[in-house]
Amino acid sequence: KAGVTQTPRYLIKTRGQQVTLSCSPISGHRSVSWYQQTPGQGLQFLFEYFSETQRNKGNFPGRFSGRQFSNSRSEMNVSTLELGDSALYLCASSWTTGSNQPQHFGDGTRLSIL
Amino acid sequence: GQQLNQSPQSMFIQEGEDVSMNCTSSSIFNTWLWYKQEPGEGPVLLIALYKAGELTSNGRLTAQFGITRKDSFLNISASIPSDVGIYFCAGQRAGETSGSRLTFGEGTQLTVNP
Repeated sequence: KAGVTQTPRYLIKTRGQQVTLSCSPISGHRSVSWYQQTPGQGLQFLFEYFSETQRNKGNFPGRFSGRQFSNSRSEMNVSTLELGDSALYLCASSWTTGSNQPQHFGDGTRLSIL
Repeated sequence: GQQLNQSPQSMFIQEGEDVSMNCTSSSIFNTWLWYKQEPGEGPVLLIALYKAGELTSNGRLTAQFGITRKDSFLNISASIPSDVGIYFCAGQRAGETSGSRLTFGEGTQLTVNP
């Protein structure tokens, strides 16, 4: 069974640019969540999508946005990139949404801002 | 920011030793999960706990959901070199607005000397 797939694995951008990251969940999983991982802040929740709707959002500026498609695949977009956006962006999926739904992670997209 | 206090931050042990790490919170969680992350990879789910007082094993790993619902611990018995990695605890809250959102601890870096 294929796991969570994230593309691309590595990305280098400059300040002010925008970027789109992609996530394909485990087959049959309908909930997709995004996390940012940095050495200073650890793993921080960005947002969750379920049935093409954003279910909840973490404490990140509006430059961070996402969407989910009818096949449950999700994209995350960051506009007007800042140096502090350099991080590992992780996507996780679960069957449905809720507090009893263990999430399974992809290997992430490493974003570097120059 | 982080709401789970995980300790210790790092551990250096000899192969064959047992390891214990724990997580505490000031608030209640419905579900506790333990993940392991190795360099260049996303977190891998080790154990999920759904009920206060629950004790669950996965091979040499044993985890417990504290009866106050504010803490959890993970034990690794007879450690081996491939146990090296960063171990994270994570909690999920109940409620419509929480969804599947995970709150993470800071991680425990485990080093095993052969």
